[in-house]
Amino acid sequence: EAQVTQNPRYLITVTGKKLTVTCSQNMNHEYMSWYRQDPGLGLRQIYYSMNVEVTDKGDVPEGYKVSRKEKRNFPLILESPSPNQTSLYFCASSSSGQRYEQYFGPGTRLTVT
Amino acid sequence: KQEVTQIPAALSVPEGENLVLNCSFTDSAIYNLQWFRQDPGKGLTSLLLIQSSQREQTSGRLNASLDKSSGRSTLYIAASQPGDSATYLCAVRLMYGSGTYKYIFGTGTRLKVLA
Repeated sequence: EAQVTQNPRYLITVTGKKLTVTCSQNMNHEYMSWYRQDPGLGLRQIYYSMNVEVTDKGDVPEGYKVSRKEKRNFPLILESPSPNQTSLYFCASSSSGQRYEQYFGPGTRLTVT
Repeated sequence: KQEVTQIPAALSVPEGENLVLNCSFTDSAIYNLQWFRQDPGKGLTSLLLIQSSQREQTSGRLNASLDKSSGRSTLYIAASQPGDSATYLCAVRLMYGSGTYKYIFGTGTRLKVLA
């Protein structure tokens, strides 16, 4: 089954404790992206990757890091989480083919206390 | 800077009604536009994708139209059902000269269909 998976689905952590949210897709997509979703602000892009070893900042990259060492994986790293990073996070992928349709993971709800 | 607006923010209708959700974007240089559905606390499910060269797409009771020149897209839902209750999001895909692209989302319309 074609899908985007994220882990963990729920995470409660404390300020300053480094964490990684994993994202994996099995559709051989070139493009992958991370978003955060906050009430009243909608979905905002954090980082995206056009292909392996190619990443770029989205609209809200501060406090986040990413890497793309393999085509299928695109982890999101919070080196020193802060309470304002409490949010719902989504990973997405799309092909570079004609349709360019985005597929989303189930989301990771992060709470930083 | 591209902005995507969805009006209304919330909508409540009785079951069986036909309804229209609106999505407006400020820059007509989009590559495509995609409509999603999101249930509370869940991920996004793709409903329809319209390429910039297309005028509309249909899937079952859903029909999406695109007018690039006016910066508008509409999602038409026929014969609404309680199971259609969800938040509907539109997103535009922007292309840059460097070959990169990114997506901009609207803030969504929260739909409630009453039985």
